[in-house]
Amino acid sequence: AQKVTQAQTEISVVEKEDVTLDCVYETRDTTYYLFWYKQPPSGELVFLIRRNSFDEQNEISGRYSWNFQKSTSSFNFTITASQVVDSAVYFCALSEAGNDMRFGAGTRLTVKP
Amino acid sequence: DGGITQSPKYLFRKEGQNVTLSCEQNLNHDAMYWYRQDPGQGLRLIYYSQIVNDFQKGDIAEGYSVSREKKESFPLTVTSAQKNPTAFYLCASSFAGDRGEKLFFGSGTQLSVL
Repeated sequence: AQKVTQAQTEISVVEKEDVTLDCVYETRDTTYYLFWYKQPPSGELVFLIRRNSFDEQNEISGRYSWNFQKSTSSFNFTITASQVVDSAVYFCALSEAGNDMRFGAGTRLTVKP
Repeated sequence: DGGITQSPKYLFRKEGQNVTLSCEQNLNHDAMYWYRQDPGQGLRLIYYSQIVNDFQKGDIAEGYSVSREKKESFPLTVTSAQKNPTAFYLCASSFAGDRGEKLFFGSGTQLSVL
């Protein structure tokens, strides 16, 4: 069965600090997809990134970067120079081909000014 | 603008009452999903539907029912059999759900018990 673990329940940083959110997953499939979503206080989840299991290249998008390592079954998310607007709950999720999406418990990030 | 509309934003249920949460999308998506969010537990899948007139149970379907009579609509009924319904409910949709498609979410309904 697929499973996603986000061990960090809450993280608090001061603005401009870098922060990494951890995500560890379990799956028996060779084809799967990993996602990160952001949930601001408004409640609606916003898609950030999708990676498939065959593409281990790290990705950078502005202040956001993602590190995908199949050897450790991890898909970690780093925010560089954090800002107050980054405060939200972040979810990591896993979808196996032909299956529905399963989410981790989420990490609440608070960025203080 | 295309998107997913959930209503109402807040809903209160009395003991023994069934309530229905609405979810409508105009993204022309085939698949639709209902998730329940409790504090510290992330999102748990209740039901999902990949095509009109067909749906499957998720991990926590007991006490809930759904219908998918139209592509655009996927209402969720919380029945009196659901003994702990207080939670935040999120509806989502995607293109055909067999290729790791990303989900688009509505803004959620907060259900509370009176």
